This record gives sequence, structure tokens and C-alpha cells, in this order.
Amino acid sequence: AQSVTQPDIHITVSEGASLELRCNYSYGATPYLFWYVQSPGQGLQLLLKYFSGDTLVQGIKGFEAEFKRSQSSFNLRKPSVHWSDAAEYFCAVGARGSQGNLIFGKGTKLSVKP
Amino acid sequence: NAGVTQTPKFRILKIGQSMTLQCTQDMNHNYMYWYRQDPGMGLKLIYYSVGAGITDKGEVPNGYNVSRSTTEDFPLRLELAAPSQTSVYFCASSSPTGLAGGPNEQFFGPGTRLTVL
Repeated sequence: AQSVTQPDIHITVSEGASLELRCNYSYGATPYLFWYVQSPGQGLQLLLKYFSGDTLVQGIKGFEAEFKRSQSSFNLRKPSVHWSDAAEYFCAVGARGSQGNLIFGKGTKLSVKP
Repeated sequence: NAGVTQTPKFRILKIGQSMTLQCTQDMNHNYMYWYRQDPGMGLKLIYYSVGAGITDKGEVPNGYNVSRSTTEDFPLRLELAAPSQTSVYFCASSSPTGLAGGPNEQFFGPGTRLTVL
């Protein structure tokens, strides 16, 4: 069965510092991987996705993620965090033939210190 | 395009009451989903639909019902509200399979915050 683990429940970084949010997945075949962001009181918005090809994918708002098959990871990164990046971040995995269904991690809440 | 819209935004129910959460999308997506989000638990799939007239259970369907009479609408029904159904509910939609038959990006509505007292 597919599963997604986000080991960090809450992370605090200083504005301007770099950020890495961890995501580990469990799936036998090639996974379809997504990162979403949820601002307080809002729905989820897609940051980026990985299906195949280049293992480093670029997303919106200056985010990127790297797929590492050997580590079953899809970590999200940003070189310099802005106060507006404070939000909750969700990693999700899907599979071929799953009728579009995604399995979501429990999320990592990001706080940004001025 | 409005995307995915949900009504109401907030609702307080008494135990045993019933209500319908509305969800509409204007992107002509075949696939639609209902999730509930509880603090620290991520999103749990309640029901999903791959097209008008076709629905299926997700991970946590007990206490809920859905229907899909049109491509645009996917209402979620709570028949006998219980405190355990206090949650934030999200509707989402997506187009059918993307690259190489895999899942596509899901578009989310703004959510409905439901409290059952």
C-alpha cells in the first residue's frame, strides 16, 4: 500500500534562510508525487509535481523538489524563505490506475521568524 | 473561472441533524473528491467520483453519502451528525489520468468548517 511520511510536524526558520521540508513515500512502482501548500483558512494549492524525467522539478513561488528513488524521498526546498511562505505544506503520492486518488502526508507547518 | 466552490463556509449542527455540503466545479473535470481534514492528520478521502452517476467510497465513508447527477456538482450529505464529524471538509476535482495513466493535479475548494455540538 502507498504511504507518505512527513517527519517534521512543525519547522521554524528565519526569513531569508533556506528551507528543506522532508517527504518520504512508500510505493513499489514509479510514484506520482505532489507538493501542496495551504495558507491559514484556505484550500490547498499545488506547488509542483513529479511524474518522470528530470528529478529536480521547479514549482511556483520559487520552490523546487528533488526526487531520489534510492531514498524514496521527494524533499521540498527553497533557497530564501519569505514571511509569506508561512503555511502548512503537504506531500502527496499517487499511482497509475488509482482513479486519480492521492495519499496525503500529515503535513508540515512552517513558521517564519522576522 | 471560479474553479471549485463550496458552500457554506461555516456551519454549526446539533447532534442528529442532517445537512448537505455543496461543491461545484466549472473546469469540466470528470473526477471529484471529498476530503476531511483534522488537525495533525492530513487529508482523509471520504468519497470520490469518476463521472456523473459513478461514486465510490474512500478511506472514511461512514456517516456520509454522496451523489453525482451532473459533471459540475458533487454534494456531500451528513444524515445524522455526530461530534466525530466536526472537521474541515474540502472538495477537489481533477481531469482524468495525466501523463502515462497516472493521477493528475487536484484543484481544491476553500473548505467548509463544520462543528457538531
